[in-house]
Amino acid sequence: QKEVEQDPGPLSVPEGAIVSLNCTYSNSAFQYFMWYRQYSRKGPELLMYTYSSGNKEDGRFTAQVDKSSKYISLFIRDSQPSDSATYLCAMSESNFGNEKLTFGTGTRLTIIP
Amino acid sequence: DVKVTQSSRYLVKRTGEKVFLECVQDMDHENMFWYRQDPGLGLRLIYFSYDVKMKEKGDIPEGYSVSREKKERFSLILESASTNQTSMYLCASWDGQKSTGELFFGEGSRLTVL
Repeated sequence: QKEVEQDPGPLSVPEGAIVSLNCTYSNSAFQYFMWYRQYSRKGPELLMYTYSSGNKEDGRFTAQVDKSSKYISLFIRDSQPSDSATYLCAMSESNFGNEKLTFGTGTRLTIIP
Repeated sequence: DVKVTQSSRYLVKRTGEKVFLECVQDMDHENMFWYRQDPGLGLRLIYFSYDVKMKEKGDIPEGYSVSREKKERFSLILESASTNQTSMYLCASWDGQKSTGELFFGEGSRLTVL
């Protein structure tokens, strides 16, 4: 079993829809959670970072963490064609001191105009 | 803005060739990483370095080596390329002084081994 499981997609939704992207994990030591966005032929870039259970909002994006269920989600409201990308969840046990990130496999998202 | 530059975007090499992938970052970050990205497998850590001349094995170091002679430069070396090393290679750096866990990635080097 992988430490981090991510819905593989691909996922296609119409413009304006709410998108839900999800990851589950098995390592209860994971404390820090991130979402990276990767456009085609580009490197990933950090989208959201959180370390506590609950919700964190940034514009149209909301990151949700449920440590008791070992489940994290990224919600995108009012989705736009520019949101079309691959979304990778990532997590670590510590504040990235001597630890490395463990990534999900990524979900490819397409927003249809 | 942090910039991580990978010198080669696309490479085609033959089995058995020695391959060098170069990565340079311009923000004085101490920590640098090499990942490979494959469909269905995600990003897997090959090697990382916390300081000049220091290196640590990641999850899949077999068949690879690295060099960090200067702080800004981290090179990945395939001593004898094999077809199963055909992949997208991503270099990243991280500012250890910040607490956001943000890796800054280059645009990737797509390597094809024939």
